[in-house]
Amino acid sequence: DTGVSQDPRHKITKRGQNVTFRCDPISEHNRLYWYRQTLGQGPEFLTYFQNEAQLEKSRLLSDRFSAERPKGSFSTLEIQRTEQGDSAMYLCASSPSVSTEAFFGQGTRLTVV
Amino acid sequence: AQSVTQLDSHVSVSEGTPVLLRCNYSSSYSPSLFWYVQHPNKGLQLLLKYTSAATLVKGINGFEAEFKKSETSFHLTKPSAHMSDAAEYFCVVSEVYNQGGKLIFGQGTELSVKP
Repeated sequence: DTGVSQDPRHKITKRGQNVTFRCDPISEHNRLYWYRQTLGQGPEFLTYFQNEAQLEKSRLLSDRFSAERPKGSFSTLEIQRTEQGDSAMYLCASSPSVSTEAFFGQGTRLTVV
Repeated sequence: AQSVTQLDSHVSVSEGTPVLLRCNYSSSYSPSLFWYVQHPNKGLQLLLKYTSAATLVKGINGFEAEFKKSETSFHLTKPSAHMSDAAEYFCVVSEVYNQGGKLIFGQGTELSVKP
């Protein structure tokens, strides 16, 4: 399978715990995006990388959120001190820099209890 | 700033009848426009895209959309609905040169197809 891969698919955590999600983009895609989707809403942009450089972060991304893409390949999204409002589907997408089309992974569904 | 408005949160049609999902966009530059579909418990799938070539764009599964700059619209149509078309549809705008290619999604339109 050469699509975008996200791990885990589901995560249940207690409020206050830290969680980390991983995204493996399509090989040779140098752009990588993170989005968050809540029930009944469209995905909201969180941040994106061009290779290993994080070029933009949304105002939605509080200081508890951090994302990395250390070698320009896979990326991780960490949420510290989770809150119930963080419960959502976290989507990763990748694209080649010359294309506007993005390919999405299946997402990681986070439930904070 | 770019934005997208999907004019209907829910559309219901009968199988075999036409589908129209409406989308208006706002963009400062020449945008790229997309329609994505999301079936329950499935990932987002690209239906079609407009990137400043032909204004009438054909996509997968018989869907098509027409870019109308004067109306800032990009409505999605299909001549005959199928039960398998029932899903959530998102209109999306992107500005590569100004916004790094990030996608801005509309709120979505849920399409129901009745037998």
